[in-house]
Amino acid sequence: EAGVAQSPRYKIIEKRQSVAFWCNPISGHATLYWYQQILGQGPKLLIQFQNNGVVDDSQLPKDRFSAERLKGVDSTLKIQPAKLEDSAVYLCASSLVRHPPYNEQFFGPGTRLTVL
Amino acid sequence: AQSVTQPDIHITVSEGASLELRCNYSYGATPYLFWYVQSPGQGLQLLLKYFSGDTLVQGIKGFEAEFKRSQSSFNLRKPSVHWSDAAEYFCAVGGYGNKLVFGAGTILRVKS
Repeated sequence: EAGVAQSPRYKIIEKRQSVAFWCNPISGHATLYWYQQILGQGPKLLIQFQNNGVVDDSQLPKDRFSAERLKGVDSTLKIQPAKLEDSAVYLCASSLVRHPPYNEQFFGPGTRLTVL
Repeated sequence: AQSVTQPDIHITVSEGASLELRCNYSYGATPYLFWYVQSPGQGLQLLLKYFSGDTLVQGIKGFEAEFKRSQSSFNLRKPSVHWSDAAEYFCAVGGYGNKLVFGAGTILRVKS
């Protein structure tokens, strides 16, 4: 079974530029998550999708971050414009469903973003 | 609100020695608890999880963890560490809506 795919693996941009990350979840997984992992910290949830709908984006900085999952499969996370503090690893994860008792989240390798 | 504390930022152990990584959580209800491992340049891999029942849970790669409700702890253990265990370890608590809250992680160094 193929895992969660993410691209690119690395990205370096100047501040105020735009960047987009792509994620393809495990086939059949209805729930998709984007996390931000700043160096020295644990991953923090940015946004959670159930199929193609957003179920939690409370920690997404909506003035500069956006995400979509138009067909309920793959997803794109965009930052526009980027700031220095956006330098982090962006992890995508997926799970079968989001309801209790709980379903394991499977993580992709992440995209390491450096903003200069 | 959920929170997780991993008191140790770095831990160094000798190969073959035992290991214990500490994790304390805060959650209002019965927690779902997890340990993940992250090797450099890799995503997170689930080592083990606790949902209910036996408070000592076994995971992959010879790891185990013990849930202690009275201490709000879920410490990870391994009786004999291998050099390949060097990585960063994250404790996480899961709550409503399948959301995970992670601790800041503990970096494990193994010396030969």
